[in-house]
Amino acid sequence: DAGVIQSPRHEVTEMGQEVTLRCKPISGHDYLFWYRQTMMRGLELLIYFNNNVPIDDSGMPEDRFSAKMPNASFSTLKIQPSEPRDSAVYFCASSGFNTGELFFGEGSRLTVL
Amino acid sequence: GENVEQHPSTLSVQEGDSAVIKCTYSDSASNYFPWYKQELGKGPQLIIDIRSNVGEKKDQRIAVTLNKTAKHFSLHITETQPEDSAVYFCAAHTPGGGNKLTFGTGTQLKVEL
Repeated sequence: DAGVIQSPRHEVTEMGQEVTLRCKPISGHDYLFWYRQTMMRGLELLIYFNNNVPIDDSGMPEDRFSAKMPNASFSTLKIQPSEPRDSAVYFCASSGFNTGELFFGEGSRLTVL
Repeated sequence: GENVEQHPSTLSVQEGDSAVIKCTYSDSASNYFPWYKQELGKGPQLIIDIRSNVGEKKDQRIAVTLNKTAKHFSLHITETQPEDSAVYFCAAHTPGGGNKLTFGTGTQLKVEL
């Protein structure tokens, strides 16, 4: 299996622009998670899906952030408009039902100038 | 919600020595405690986990201990090697939260030659 695939690996954009991060989970996994990692706050859970349905989005910082999972093999995290404080590494992870183990992608490093 | 604290934030050891990282959690209902290793430029990867019905688990040079009464758990790495250098995260899972994990703030381990 190719593992969790994220794109882009790196994105540099200017404040106010729209950013879309993409994730392809491991086939057969029921859960998909979006995490944000910064030096100051560590790994923060933004939102997670179960069977394509958003279950908990309490970690989404503001209305500028939105996430979708239109099917079992694809999810997006969108930031519109982006701000410099959104600069971070965004990780997507997936897991099977009740297995516990999260499989992380390699992350998308976002820099907002 | 669950809160996980992790210490130390940085740890430097000589090759061959042991390393210990400690975590505490707040929710007594938490029942699953994984440890993840994150190498530079990559996503976190599970290295060992323990469930609340077990006090200790070992896998070659790494071991994890759990004290449910005190609500703390620890990672022990023996005979450290340079390739053990990485950031280590503890996490806790609370029932009813799907596969949602709360992560500690991470420990940067450096193994010096």
